[in-house]
Amino acid sequence: DADVTQTPRNRITKTGKRIMLECSQTKGHDRMYWYRQDPGLGLRLIYYSFDVKDINKGEISDGYSVSRQAQAKFSLSLESAIPNQTALYFCAKRGQLENQPQHFGDGTRLSIL
Amino acid sequence: KQEVTQIPAALSVPEGENLVLNCSFTDSAIYNLQWFRQDPGKGLTSLLLIQSSQREQTSGRLNASLDKSSGRSTLYIAASQPGDSATYLCAVGTGFQKLVFGTGTRLLVSP
Repeated sequence: DADVTQTPRNRITKTGKRIMLECSQTKGHDRMYWYRQDPGLGLRLIYYSFDVKDINKGEISDGYSVSRQAQAKFSLSLESAIPNQTALYFCAKRGQLENQPQHFGDGTRLSIL
Repeated sequence: KQEVTQIPAALSVPEGENLVLNCSFTDSAIYNLQWFRQDPGKGLTSLLLIQSSQREQTSGRLNASLDKSSGRSTLYIAASQPGDSATYLCAVGTGFQKLVFGTGTRLLVSP
């Protein structure tokens, strides 16, 4: 979805490094989400936010932190990366109404050596 | 805990066939169900969203049905085309507008 932009698209880094993945969206939607996708496991929710300063843990938040600096920006950080955090990471957004779908960015492929 | 299962994991069909992808979920207390398409190296594209009060949604050659009581949804693709080749993901909307995903069905449509 062109309305959700993730940077970088690919990242290779070493164990123990701090990493930040960025997500920005247009159209001012409130709800933003971070997921990771692993082969055979589907997408799993890491964190989600309903507004600036609102942060909620998802299914697999350990080892991650997030920051909702503005309505349009939602960043995911790995404070000390480990190899099992190698995955495809997606950011998503949606509006307030229940009948609105989530829209996803193109993902960040993260490899931790 | 909500669990979502998609069968089959992979499907290969010749062009022109009608096909059905299946999704089942364990907890019928859902807000909605969403079908996505994922192409290699790309993000997820929303195809259809069915509210919990609805039975089906249609968009072009796609039709999605929902049976909450039995915990099932199907995605019907009519007259399949090679461009339909992708992974199809089913996701159930739970409380606080969170989605629980299945592991997907990888579809290959051969010319």
